[in-house]
Amino acid sequence: ILNVEQSPQSLHVQEGDSTNFTCSFPSSNFYALHWYRWETAKSPEALFVMTLNGDEKKKGRISATLNTKEGYSYLYIKGSQPEDSATYLCAPEYGNKLVFGAGTILRVKS
Amino acid sequence: EAGVTQSPTHLIKTRGQQATLRCSPISGHTSVYWYQQALGLGLQFLLWYDEGEERNRGNFPPRFSGRQFPNYSSELNVNALELEDSALYLCASSLVQGNTGELFFGEGSRLTVL
Repeated sequence: ILNVEQSPQSLHVQEGDSTNFTCSFPSSNFYALHWYRWETAKSPEALFVMTLNGDEKKKGRISATLNTKEGYSYLYIKGSQPEDSATYLCAPEYGNKLVFGAGTILRVKS
Repeated sequence: EAGVTQSPTHLIKTRGQQATLRCSPISGHTSVYWYQQALGLGLQFLLWYDEGEERNRGNFPPRFSGRQFPNYSSELNVNALELEDSALYLCASSLVQGNTGELFFGEGSRLTVL
């Protein structure tokens, strides 16, 4: 059983704060790392798909880094806004299967 | 362009019954995936279909089955329902075979087993 851990489990921040989450995963037979954002009553949306060690992706105020050797990824949100409130899921890919973590719930207060 | 659509949105069944959930992928996507999110758990991989064939399945009993039709839409069938089958079932599609590309998810079907 592959264990994907995300921390923290939940996070409450003020509008304008910057924040980051961690995803750790078994690094053997790893192929790619996916990050998804899941807003309440909506469907999960892909943020990033990362494959290379040291890879860094950015989309607006959100960025992510990847360390494939030690098996972790960080997701950063700069200047959080209320619309960033969502559950953030990471999912390492092994072969042709994504293994999702339980997610980090972010709540941004205005 | 229409996204991934799932039906029904909600379904209530009793123990021992069968449930059928449906999914229409994004036009042009040939791969369809099914995931289960039970209460308090992360998304668990159920099944992957591509080009009408089952390519991989997760660690679920055989009473979870499905199929993919020639138009790439898919059905998930759950037989002999048990209380712990109560969950949100998400369908996703992708353009690339296997999980080498991002997944596009539907909004899910919530199954309640009484």
